[in-house]
Formats: sequence, structure tokens, C-alpha cells
Amino acid sequence: GNSVTQMEGPVTLSEEAFLTINCTYTATGYPSLFWYVQYPGEGLQLLLKATKADDKGSNKGFEATYRKETTSFHLEKGSVQVSDSAVYFCALRVFSGGYNKLIFGAGTRLAVHP
Amino acid sequence: DVKVTQSSRYLVKRTGEKVFLECVQDMDHENMFWYRQDPGLGLRLIYFSYDVKMKEKGDIPEGYSVSREKKERFSLILESASTNQTSMYLCASSPRQGASLGGSYEQYFGPGTRLTVT
Repeated sequence: GNSVTQMEGPVTLSEEAFLTINCTYTATGYPSLFWYVQYPGEGLQLLLKATKADDKGSNKGFEATYRKETTSFHLEKGSVQVSDSAVYFCALRVFSGGYNKLIFGAGTRLAVHP
Repeated sequence: DVKVTQSSRYLVKRTGEKVFLECVQDMDHENMFWYRQDPGLGLRLIYFSYDVKMKEKGDIPEGYSVSREKKERFSLILESASTNQTSMYLCASSPRQGASLGGSYEQYFGPGTRLTVT
């Protein structure tokens, strides 16, 4: 079936450190891939996306590359800030039962300390 | 900007009570969704609706029902709340998408309702 696996958190980093959050997926066909972010007390918001193999999504200094050969979509940022502290969700879009649906990973909590 | 609002941020109910969670979106989106969010499990789809008066079961519909009488409003109903329904509930909306897998597909989320059933 379709699924998303993320690295377990929490991930704790100092400000300006390099961030990687791993995400791998299982899906039939060629799904679109997404990273959503949830800041404390808020709903989820789209961070970046990639719709086909080798696409790189980027936003706010975050990047992720759609790797079909490794079925991965790892999130990276070169220098994190305290304001990046949030929960990050990897997701894939599948077409199932006649409808588009999002399948989410379990989420990875990031805590950045000054 | 797309705005999705939920009727309550925090709610405390007793076991056996009937609970209504309301969601309203202001962007004329055709699709609306209800998820629950639990630690270690991510988001799980309860129900979704692709048009007024239409509904489809998601992955965990048991114990829930929904209502969509107007395009902008999607209600989640717990007929008889139980303690295992204590969770964060998130509503989302999206514009209608074609059947193709190509192209972007973004859902817009509300701030969530944290429901505690005692």
C-alpha cells in the first residue's frame, strides 16, 4: 500500500546548524511529494513540493529533491534558526478510489536552540 | 489568502455526549477534509467531501459522521464521544483537482481543535 516513513524526532539542533529530516515513501506510480510544517498552536501549511522525479522543491531556505531511485524526499536546510522550531510532515499524493488524497508521515519535531 | 476556520480551539466533553466540530473555508473550495492528529501517527483521514451533500469515508471513519449542507461548511460529528476520540482534529480544504496525478495538490488547513473526552 501507500505509506510515508519519516525519521523519528525530536531533532534538537543549535542555531545555524545543518538540518536533514529523512523521508522515504512507498507508492505505486509517480506520486507528488510534499513537506508541510506545523508551527506551535497552528494548523499545517505547505512548505515545499515536487511533482516528478529529480524535481527540487525549495522555500524559506529549505530544500528537498524527489529521488525516485531511492524513493526518498529528504528535507534539508543549511542553517536553521530558532523560528524553524516546528513539526515537519512529509506527505505524498495518491489517486485512490477515484479521488486525490494525501498520505502523511508521522511527523518530526524540530527544536532549535540559540 | 485562503482561510480555514474551526469553531473551537479547545473543547472538553464527557463520554457519551454528542459533539459537533465545525469548519468553514472562504475560498470556494470544492473539497473539504477532516483529519485527526495523534503523536507518532501523523494525520489520519476521517472523512472528506468533494461537493455539497457528498461525503466519502477516509481511513478511520468509525465513530464519526459528517455533514456538508453548504459548500463552505463541513461538520464533523461524534455521535457518542469516547475517551479514545481524545485528539487534535484538523480541517482542510482544497480546490477541485482533475483525475490526473500530475500537477500540484495543496490542502489548506485550519488551526485545529483539541478535543478532550473525559
